[in-house]
Amino acid sequence: GENVEQHPSTLSVQEGDSAVIKCTYSDSASNYFPWYKQELGKGPQLIIDIRSNVGEKKDQRIAVTLNKTAKHFSLHITETQPEDSAVYFCAATGSGGSYIPTFGRGTSLIVHP
Amino acid sequence: GAGVSQSPSNKVTEKGKDVELRCDPISGHTALYWYRQSLGQGLEFLIYFQGNSAPDKSGLPSDRFSAERTGGSVSTLTIQRTQQEDSAVYLCASSPGTGGRGYGYTFGSGTRLTVV
Repeated sequence: GENVEQHPSTLSVQEGDSAVIKCTYSDSASNYFPWYKQELGKGPQLIIDIRSNVGEKKDQRIAVTLNKTAKHFSLHITETQPEDSAVYFCAATGSGGSYIPTFGRGTSLIVHP
Repeated sequence: GAGVSQSPSNKVTEKGKDVELRCDPISGHTALYWYRQSLGQGLEFLIYFQGNSAPDKSGLPSDRFSAERTGGSVSTLTIQRTQQEDSAVYLCASSPGTGGRGYGYTFGSGTRLTVV
Protein backbone atom coordinates (compact mmCIF):
# COMPACT_ATOMS: atom_id res chain seq x y z
CA GLY A 1 0.00 0.00 0.00
CA GLU A 2 0.84 3.68 -0.01
CA ASN A 3 3.47 5.00 2.42
CA VAL A 4 3.80 8.72 3.19
CA GLU A 5 6.78 10.20 5.01
CA GLN A 6 6.56 13.76 6.34
CA HIS A 7 9.41 16.00 7.54
CA PRO A 8 10.19 17.74 9.75
CA SER A 9 8.10 16.63 12.71
CA THR A 10 8.58 20.03 14.33
CA LEU A 11 9.36 23.37 12.71
CA SER A 12 10.00 26.59 14.58
CA VAL A 13 10.25 29.91 12.70
CA GLN A 14 10.14 33.61 13.40
CA GLU A 15 7.15 35.63 12.28
CA GLY A 16 7.65 36.77 8.70
CA ASP A 17 9.94 33.87 7.77
CA SER A 18 9.00 31.16 5.30
CA ALA A 19 8.21 27.58 6.29
CA VAL A 20 8.53 24.47 4.14
CA ILE A 21 7.15 21.03 4.95
CA LYS A 22 8.05 18.07 2.75
CA CYS A 23 6.36 14.76 2.07
CA THR A 24 7.37 11.74 0.03
CA TYR A 25 5.08 8.98 -1.17
CA SER A 26 5.66 5.49 -2.49
CA ASP A 27 2.81 4.74 -4.91
CA SER A 28 3.54 6.25 -8.31
CA ALA A 29 -0.16 5.92 -9.20
CA SER A 30 -1.23 8.38 -6.46
CA ASN A 31 -2.81 11.39 -8.07
CA TYR A 32 -4.31 13.58 -5.34
CA PHE A 33 -2.34 15.32 -2.58
CA PRO A 34 -4.19 17.43 0.00
CA TRP A 35 -2.77 19.36 2.94
CA TYR A 36 -4.61 19.81 6.22
CA LYS A 37 -4.11 22.24 9.09
CA GLN A 38 -5.13 21.17 12.57
CA GLU A 39 -5.42 23.72 15.33
CA LEU A 40 -5.54 22.70 18.97
CA GLY A 41 -8.82 21.05 19.90
CA LYS A 42 -10.17 21.08 16.35
CA GLY A 43 -10.42 18.67 13.48
CA PRO A 44 -8.04 18.99 10.50
CA GLN A 45 -9.07 21.54 7.89
CA LEU A 46 -8.24 21.26 4.19
CA ILE A 47 -6.10 24.25 3.22
CA ILE A 48 -4.80 23.39 -0.24
CA ASP A 49 -4.57 20.43 -2.56
CA ILE A 50 -2.87 19.48 -5.80
CA ARG A 51 -3.54 16.91 -8.47
CA SER A 52 -0.91 15.01 -10.36
CA ASN A 53 -1.51 16.87 -13.62
CA VAL A 54 -0.05 20.10 -12.22
CA GLY A 55 3.29 20.92 -10.66
CA GLU A 56 2.44 23.89 -8.47
CA LYS A 57 -0.57 25.60 -6.96
CA LYS A 58 -0.75 28.83 -4.97
CA ASP A 59 -3.34 30.38 -2.70
CA GLN A 60 -2.26 33.67 -1.17
CA ARG A 61 0.58 32.90 1.27
CA ILE A 62 0.52 29.13 0.80
CA ALA A 63 1.69 27.06 -2.12
CA VAL A 64 2.17 23.38 -2.85
CA THR A 65 4.63 21.88 -5.30
CA LEU A 66 4.62 18.35 -6.70
CA ASN A 67 7.48 16.40 -8.26
CA LYS A 68 5.96 13.22 -9.67
CA THR A 69 9.28 11.83 -10.84
CA ALA A 70 10.81 12.06 -7.39
CA LYS A 71 7.48 11.29 -5.70
CA HIS A 72 7.57 14.19 -3.31
CA PHE A 73 5.43 17.23 -2.63
CA SER A 74 5.92 20.23 -0.39
CA LEU A 75 3.91 22.90 1.39
CA HIS A 76 5.34 26.41 1.39
CA ILE A 77 4.06 29.13 3.70
CA THR A 78 5.46 32.62 3.17
CA GLU A 79 5.34 35.61 5.54
CA THR A 80 4.37 33.35 8.43
CA GLN A 81 2.10 34.71 11.15
CA PRO A 82 1.45 33.44 14.69
CA GLU A 83 -1.96 32.18 13.60
CA ASP A 84 -0.21 29.79 11.20
CA SER A 85 0.94 27.84 14.28
CA ALA A 86 -0.71 24.42 14.04
CA VAL A 87 -0.08 20.81 13.05
CA TYR A 88 0.02 20.27 9.30
CA PHE A 89 -0.70 16.91 7.65
CA CYS A 90 -0.01 15.86 4.10
CA ALA A 91 -1.84 12.99 2.40
CA ALA A 92 -1.69 10.95 -0.77
CA THR A 93 -4.32 8.75 -2.38
CA GLY A 94 -3.00 5.48 -3.74
CA SER A 95 -4.22 3.07 -6.41
CA GLY A 96 -5.36 -0.52 -6.51
CA GLY A 97 -9.00 0.30 -5.93
CA SER A 98 -8.38 1.86 -2.54
CA TYR A 99 -9.55 5.42 -2.27
CA ILE A 100 -8.44 5.87 1.31
CA PRO A 101 -5.81 8.61 1.57
CA THR A 102 -2.67 7.84 3.53
CA PHE A 103 -1.65 10.63 5.89
CA GLY A 104 1.80 11.73 6.96
CA ARG A 105 2.52 11.82 10.69
CA GLY A 106 2.19 15.61 10.87
CA THR A 107 4.42 18.64 11.36
CA SER A 108 4.02 20.92 14.34
CA LEU A 109 4.68 24.46 13.11
CA ILE A 110 5.43 27.10 15.70
CA VAL A 111 5.61 30.73 14.59
CA HIS A 112 7.24 32.99 17.18
CA PRO A 113 6.06 36.62 17.27
CA GLY B 1 -25.83 21.33 8.36
CA ALA B 2 -22.94 23.61 7.52
CA GLY B 3 -20.26 21.22 8.69
CA VAL B 4 -19.60 17.75 10.05
CA SER B 5 -21.08 17.42 13.53
CA GLN B 6 -19.80 14.93 16.10
CA SER B 7 -21.21 14.07 19.50
CA PRO B 8 -20.39 13.94 22.26
CA SER B 9 -17.39 16.24 22.14
CA ASN B 10 -15.95 14.56 25.22
CA LYS B 11 -16.64 11.16 26.73
CA VAL B 12 -15.19 9.62 29.86
CA THR B 13 -16.02 5.98 30.40
CA GLU B 14 -14.96 3.18 32.66
CA LYS B 15 -12.87 0.34 31.34
CA GLY B 16 -15.09 -2.47 30.09
CA LYS B 17 -18.06 -0.26 29.22
CA ASP B 18 -19.43 0.17 25.72
CA VAL B 19 -19.50 3.59 24.04
CA GLU B 20 -21.24 5.03 20.98
CA LEU B 21 -19.88 7.98 19.05
CA ARG B 22 -22.07 9.82 16.56
CA CYS B 23 -21.27 11.60 13.31
CA ASP B 24 -23.56 13.80 11.23
CA PRO B 25 -21.90 14.38 7.84
CA ILE B 26 -22.50 17.28 5.50
CA SER B 27 -25.80 16.85 3.71
CA GLY B 28 -25.30 15.28 0.30
CA HIS B 29 -21.82 13.92 1.03
CA THR B 30 -21.81 10.30 -0.04
CA ALA B 31 -18.52 9.29 1.57
CA LEU B 32 -17.95 9.11 5.34
CA TYR B 33 -14.80 8.14 7.21
CA TRP B 34 -13.74 7.50 10.77
CA TYR B 35 -10.19 8.14 11.95
CA ARG B 36 -8.50 7.81 15.33
CA GLN B 37 -5.90 10.24 16.58
CA SER B 38 -3.92 9.32 19.67
CA LEU B 39 -2.15 12.04 21.66
CA GLY B 40 0.53 13.65 19.50
CA GLN B 41 0.06 11.08 16.76
CA GLY B 42 -1.12 11.07 13.20
CA LEU B 43 -4.43 9.99 11.75
CA GLU B 44 -5.24 6.28 11.87
CA PHE B 45 -7.89 5.17 9.36
CA LEU B 46 -10.67 3.06 10.88
CA ILE B 47 -13.57 2.62 8.45
CA TYR B 48 -15.01 4.13 5.25
CA PHE B 49 -18.57 4.25 3.92
CA GLN B 50 -19.40 5.14 0.31
CA GLY B 51 -23.04 5.38 -0.68
CA ASN B 52 -24.76 1.99 -0.52
CA SER B 53 -21.57 -0.01 -0.98
CA ALA B 54 -20.25 -2.36 1.67
CA PRO B 55 -18.03 -0.41 4.07
CA ASP B 56 -14.25 -0.72 4.02
CA LYS B 57 -13.51 -1.98 7.53
CA SER B 58 -9.85 -2.69 6.94
CA GLY B 59 -8.67 -0.19 9.55
CA LEU B 60 -10.69 -1.38 12.52
CA PRO B 61 -8.14 -2.47 15.16
CA SER B 62 -10.19 -5.27 16.71
CA ASP B 63 -13.63 -6.87 16.68
CA ARG B 64 -14.59 -4.63 19.61
CA PHE B 65 -14.93 -1.82 17.08
CA SER B 66 -17.90 -1.56 14.73
CA ALA B 67 -19.68 1.17 12.82
CA GLU B 68 -22.86 1.63 10.89
CA ARG B 69 -24.30 4.29 8.69
CA THR B 70 -28.06 4.57 8.55
CA GLY B 71 -29.89 5.92 5.51
CA GLY B 72 -26.65 7.03 3.95
CA SER B 73 -26.32 9.83 6.47
CA VAL B 74 -25.65 9.58 10.22
CA SER B 75 -22.96 7.17 11.35
CA THR B 76 -22.33 5.60 14.74
CA LEU B 77 -18.99 4.16 15.83
CA THR B 78 -19.35 1.64 18.65
CA ILE B 79 -16.54 0.44 20.87
CA GLN B 80 -17.40 -2.52 23.08
CA ARG B 81 -15.63 -3.43 26.30
CA THR B 82 -13.45 -0.34 26.16
CA GLN B 83 -9.77 -0.55 27.09
CA GLN B 84 -7.42 2.20 28.21
CA GLU B 85 -5.58 2.04 24.89
CA ASP B 86 -8.82 3.11 23.18
CA SER B 87 -8.38 6.57 24.68
CA ALA B 88 -7.96 8.96 21.75
CA VAL B 89 -9.75 11.56 19.66
CA TYR B 90 -12.11 9.96 17.18
CA LEU B 91 -12.55 12.05 14.05
CA CYS B 92 -15.26 11.76 11.46
CA ALA B 93 -14.95 13.22 7.96
CA SER B 94 -17.14 13.36 4.88
CA SER B 95 -16.52 14.13 1.23
CA PRO B 96 -18.79 14.68 -1.75
CA GLY B 97 -17.32 12.07 -4.04
CA THR B 98 -15.80 8.72 -4.49
CA GLY B 99 -13.41 7.69 -1.79
CA GLY B 100 -11.61 10.98 -1.30
CA ARG B 101 -9.70 10.69 -4.55
CA GLY B 102 -9.76 14.21 -5.85
CA TYR B 103 -12.03 15.37 -3.05
CA GLY B 104 -10.77 16.82 0.18
CA TYR B 105 -12.33 15.82 3.44
CA THR B 106 -14.33 17.99 5.79
CA PHE B 107 -13.57 16.85 9.32
CA GLY B 108 -15.65 17.23 12.43
CA SER B 109 -14.11 18.49 15.67
CA GLY B 110 -13.87 14.99 17.04
CA THR B 111 -14.89 13.12 20.15
CA ARG B 112 -12.24 12.92 22.85
CA LEU B 113 -12.64 9.51 24.48
CA THR B 114 -10.99 8.84 27.83
CA VAL B 115 -11.15 5.35 29.31
CA VAL B 116 -10.43 5.25 33.03
